[in-house]
Amino acid sequence: EVILTQSPGSLSLSPGDGAALSCRANETISRNRLAWYQHRPGQAPRLLIYGTSTRATGIPDRFRGSGSGTDFSLTISRLDPEDFAVYYCQQYGTSPRTFGLGTTVE
Amino acid sequence: QVQLQESGPGLVRPSGTLSLTCTVSSTSLNSGSYYYNWIRHHPRGGLEWLGYIYYTGDTVYNSKPSLQGRVTMSLDNSKNQFFLKLTSVTAADTAVYYCARDPYGGDSFFDSWGPGILVTVSS
Repeated sequence: EVILTQSPGSLSLSPGDGAALSCRANETISRNRLAWYQHRPGQAPRLLIYGTSTRATGIPDRFRGSGSGTDFSLTISRLDPEDFAVYYCQQYGTSPRTFGLGTTVE
Repeated sequence: QVQLQESGPGLVRPSGTLSLTCTVSSTSLNSGSYYYNWIRHHPRGGLEWLGYIYYTGDTVYNSKPSLQGRVTMSLDNSKNQFFLKLTSVTAADTAVYYCARDPYGGDSFFDSWGPGILVTVSS
């Protein structure tokens, strides 16, 4: 299965800062089929990005996804207090679908 | 806006069967547009996709050796619910279990999730 490695494990930031999260795969992700999720404690995970760079419905443009092949990133500009959460990447180019271990933005 | 909600016992004995229900609101399971999945999150570990079910009852499960033969999914279209059964559980099955919806063909991303339910396997 495709292994996704997210880095860093955690980021210590303040509201208004920018954040850069990385997701690296151990093999090429077919058709750049990569998604990002935000997970706040006690809540349902929330889809942010799919297809590497397409924002899901209602996601503000301060969230930007990019990358290709094996290297992908999520950039969050101007952190809002509600953005402090855990972020996961997920690939759906190869079965079974797999997830990274997450990056905590705190 | 679709809502999913997991329910079931929070404690299961080792070697027993874990049984969970996901109730879907604001959309009909048999609309045919979506695939319904179970995903779990191990403590201090990663997220693991368990499988999906389509409104026809067709299923696809994760073929990982540790899951093979233990996972069964079913649904009740009249109640807008789908179900997970995981047999012969061990402590390694302790996790937060989520139900989630896949909008494209059963092999894509998940556009709606339930809040999750913690299931602990312990005697």
